[in-house]
Amino acid sequence: QVQLEESGGGLVKPGGSLRLSCAASGFNFRDFYMMWLRQAPGQGLEWISYISNVGTTKYYADSVKGRFTISRDNAENSMSLQMDSLRVEDTAVYYCATSGMSRWGQGTLVTVSS
Amino acid sequence: DIVMTQTPLSAPVTLGQPASISCRSTESLLHTDGNTYLIWLQQRPGQPPRLLIYNIANRFSGVPDRFSGSGAGTDFTLKISRVEVEDVAVYYCAQATQFPITFGQGTRLEI
Repeated sequence: QVQLEESGGGLVKPGGSLRLSCAASGFNFRDFYMMWLRQAPGQGLEWISYISNVGTTKYYADSVKGRFTISRDNAENSMSLQMDSLRVEDTAVYYCATSGMSRWGQGTLVTVSS
Repeated sequence: DIVMTQTPLSAPVTLGQPASISCRSTESLLHTDGNTYLIWLQQRPGQPPRLLIYNIANRFSGVPDRFSGSGAGTDFTLKISRVEVEDVAVYYCAQATQFPITFGQGTRLEI
C-alpha cells in the first residue's frame, strides 16, 4: 500500500543542522510532486516546501527560504529536507506528503533547543 | 499570501446531529486551469492529517459519504450529515491554488 516514512528528526542546538528523509513505497514516486509540512506543538499546519516530480521546480515558505533545501532521488524513491541555521521556532513535527495531500507520513519530531 | 479563515474554531456537536465548518479565503481560489484547489483535512489526536475533500467537493478514497464539501470562489463549507464518535478531530481547510500553500487555523470538533 502507499506509504511515506519520515526519519532524521531529533534534538539540535540553535544554529545547527539536520537532514530529514522521506522514504516512499507503494506508488510510482517519480510521478508525484511532493511536499514538506510541519506542525509546531499544539499548533496548526504550515507548508514549508514543494518539489516537482523531476526535481526541477522547488518552492519554499518565506520562513525557511535560504535555510532549508528540498531534494529528491527518484531512483531511491526518497525525498530529503536539509535544514541549516535552525532556530527555536523550527521546533515541530515534520511531515512529508504528496502534493495533493492525499498521502502523509507519520511525521518526525525536530526539537531545536540549547 | 492567501489567508484562510475558518469559523468556528471550536464546535460542540451532538452525536447523530449535523455539523458545519466554514472557510473563507482572502482571494478567489479559482485557478487559471479551471480548478479550485480547496482541500479539507481531518486530524485525529496523535495522528497525521488525512485528506477528506479535494477540489471543493470531491471525497477522497475511503471517506464516508456523511462528509461533503461545497462552495466557490472565496467561501467554502464542510458538512458532516450525522456526527459520529470517530469524527472528533481538528479539521483544516487549505488552499493549493497558489504558493505559498496556506491553511486555516483549524476547527476542533468536540462532543
